[in-house]
Amino acid sequence: GAVVSQHPSRVICKSGTSVKIECRSLDFQATTMFWYRQFPKQSLMLMATSNEGSKATYEQGVEKDKFLINHASLTLSTLTVTSAHPEDSSFYICSATGGGFGTDTQYFGPGTRLTVL
Amino acid sequence: ELKVEQNPLFLSMQEGKNYTIYCNYSTTSDRLYWYRQDPGKSLESLFVLLSNGAVKQEGRLMASLDTKARLSTLHITAAVHDLSATYFCAVSPGSSYKLIFGSGTRLLVRP
Repeated sequence: GAVVSQHPSRVICKSGTSVKIECRSLDFQATTMFWYRQFPKQSLMLMATSNEGSKATYEQGVEKDKFLINHASLTLSTLTVTSAHPEDSSFYICSATGGGFGTDTQYFGPGTRLTVL
Repeated sequence: ELKVEQNPLFLSMQEGKNYTIYCNYSTTSDRLYWYRQDPGKSLESLFVLLSNGAVKQEGRLMASLDTKARLSTLHITAAVHDLSATYFCAVSPGSSYKLIFGSGTRLLVRP
């Protein structure tokens, strides 16, 4: 089956620093990747849609200059949280779709827990 | 704007009992998904429902879709403790492949 990995799984950083999270599709080429954020005991909120080789499409209310998304290849997308603050602390989950698995199913990564002190 | 509502938000049930979780959505969609999430973990795909009247079953879980009513149900039969988790439905608006999630239903199955 399709496997999506994320790195790191957990990161703690100081306020004001930037953090990069990687999302990789391990056994298929992901034409589209999605980034979600989940606060404790809440649902997943879509942040942006990322297509390989093009600029990401951000959802309303998500600051594109704060959450930089790069989808440089068909197997890798990165999310950089710039100048992180405590309110950015959250669980960030990516998903990927495409390749031989079709576009009807999104495969989710294991998530990255970000804590900003 | 597509809205997805789940109910109940929290469900505590005894082992062996049956129950149904409901997912309503506000605009036309032909794709509805059910996911399971364990505490501190990511999402596990349960079902993908792609057409009106679709019904899928896996073990003690059965999902159905009524696109005319904009309603999906996740039915739990003879619940066991291992089913304790949070269940999310999600809908893709229009021709988009992005997912809009419901609020989730936290299920606790008691012995």
